[in-house]
Parts: sequence; structure tokens; C-alpha cells
Amino acid sequence: KAGVTQTPRYLIKTRGQQVTLSCSPISGHRSVSWYQQTPGQGLQFLFEYFSETQRNKGNFPGRFSGRQFSNSRSEMNVSTLELGDSALYLCASSATGEEQYFGPGTRLTVT
Amino acid sequence: EDQVTQSPEALRLQEGESSSLNCSYTVSGLRGLFWYRQDPGKGPEFLFTLYSAGEEKEKERLKATLTKKESFLHITAPKPEDSATYLCAVQNTGTASKLTFGTGTRLQVTL
Repeated sequence: KAGVTQTPRYLIKTRGQQVTLSCSPISGHRSVSWYQQTPGQGLQFLFEYFSETQRNKGNFPGRFSGRQFSNSRSEMNVSTLELGDSALYLCASSATGEEQYFGPGTRLTVT
Repeated sequence: EDQVTQSPEALRLQEGESSSLNCSYTVSGLRGLFWYRQDPGKGPEFLFTLYSAGEEKEKERLKATLTKKESFLHITAPKPEDSATYLCAVQNTGTASKLTFGTGTRLQVTL
């Protein structure tokens, strides 16, 4: 079974721009969660989508948003980028929301 | 608020030298406790899920155990390929899929 894929793997953006990251879950998995990983804060939960509905949300500003499509693929968007948004963004898929399998991540650098 | 504390922050072992990593947690209702392994530049790799106190799970040289307050990851006769960051996370029955992570233990196994 193919694992979780994320595109792009690396991204460099300028402050004030917006960015869209993509995640394709494991086949058959309907839950997709997004996490931000930084050296200072570790892994922090952004949000989870299940069957195209946001089921859970972390404590991030409204600049961070996401969506899920009918084929379970998910995108997250960050608007008005700040330097502090530089991080590894990880997507995880799950059949039920419990055991979550992570993708390789997208490394975002904001300059 | 759910909290996860891992110790030690870093651990250096010689090949064959067994040890344990600790994960202390505070959660109002435990849905599950998860162990992941993360290699540099990669997404976390799922290892174990533990659901109730007294539960144990094993995989090769790794054994995870759970009490009401903490979990241990025992590494028996480690090899250099076990070098990685080991992450512990909890899920709360009230917030379903959200994983709250500790900051991890960086393990280095030398010859």
C-alpha cells in the first residue's frame, strides 16, 4: 500500500504571500490531520478533516485553513505568511482517527 | 489541557546497552497513547498504540508499557540503526483525533 504523499516537499515564500500545501492519504483512509513541527514548539495539531468535514481544530490563527476533497485528498492554506510560519508541515492519515500515519512533510521557509 | 513530558531529552547508548525512555502524561480521559520514531528530515513513523494501564506491546528490540501516569519505551540491545528521535503522544477522549506530542527523546546508539 502506498504511503501518505505530500507536495511540494520544499517551499520558499516571502512574508505576506500565501501558500497551499497538498496531502494524499493512504488509500481507504478518510481522516487527514495536519501538524506543524518547529524546533521550539515541537509537533502541534492544526486541524483534522474526515469525509470532507473539519472534525477538530487546534489553536492556530485563522490564517491557517484547510479543506478535504471527496477523494480524501486534503490541502492546507496559509495566508499572509509570517517569518514564524517557517516549519515542517506534516500530514497524517488514518482510517478511524486513532492510529495516524505521517507523510514526509513539506518544509516551508518564509523569508 | 493535555500535557506530555518526555525524558531524557537526549540519550547516548553503546550498541547492546539496554535502556528505557520515559513519557509522563496528563490527560482528562485517555483515548490512546502513541509512540512514534522520527528520523531527521522525515515524518514520524508509527510504532505502538497503548490504550489502558498494564498494556504492553513489542516490536523487535522495542517494548512499550503503560501505567495511569506514564509510559516507557524499553530498548533492548540497541543497534546503531535504532538511532532516531522517539516521540510520545496522547489522544483525549474529548478531542478525538488530536494528538498532543511530547518534545521527544533523541537517541544515539554507537558501536
